[in-house]
Amino acid sequence: DGGITQSPKYLFRKEGQNVTLSCEQNLNHDAMYWYRQDPGQGLRLIYYSQIVNDFQKGDIAEGYSVSREKKESFPLTVTSAQKNPTAFYLCASSKSHRITGNTIYFGEGSWLTVV
Amino acid sequence: GNSVTQMEGPVTLSEEAFLTINCTYTATGYPSLFWYVQYPGEGLQLLLKATKADDKGSNKGFEATYRKETTSFHLEKGSVQVSDSAVYFCALGFPTGGGNKLTFGTGTQLKVEL
Repeated sequence: DGGITQSPKYLFRKEGQNVTLSCEQNLNHDAMYWYRQDPGQGLRLIYYSQIVNDFQKGDIAEGYSVSREKKESFPLTVTSAQKNPTAFYLCASSKSHRITGNTIYFGEGSWLTVV
Repeated sequence: GNSVTQMEGPVTLSEEAFLTINCTYTATGYPSLFWYVQYPGEGLQLLLKATKADDKGSNKGFEATYRKETTSFHLEKGSVQVSDSAVYFCALGFPTGGGNKLTFGTGTQLKVEL
């Protein structure tokens, strides 16, 4: 089945460590995104990528890094510089960066907890 | 800047009751509008969308009409079920050169009881 796969579902990190969240899609979508969701809040955009080898900062990129070496993969690294990393992270993709008529599809999410 | 405002939850209804979740937006230009649903512990699923004024999006008994004059996109369902219990997010987006970015509201939790 086509879709977006995020892993791991749950991740615990010690303070000062970097962690990488995986996101893979087999929808042949050009654009991919990372959002962060905090309790009682909407989603905030961390990074997005319109095509391979290109990515742009979203609204809350500080303390995060990404890469887009392959069309189907868009991993997110949460670095030690991110002050409040505990959150639910959602990866998404869409066929094109042109939104009209295109839908953004989401993965199941990854829970990151800093201990 | 762009913003989306949703009614605060939780909204608690009895099964078969009528549902309205209000959503208004602020944007320059003519965005596309979306409703996403999130079930506990899961990612978001697109529920419905509308890409221009007066369009009506519908899916699974839910409807929302893009009202430019009132900058609104209220979600409605005539008869809710327990299985509709979830968090509902209203969102807007633009086809800009800056990418396909969505601006989300804070979400409205719906609880449906027997």
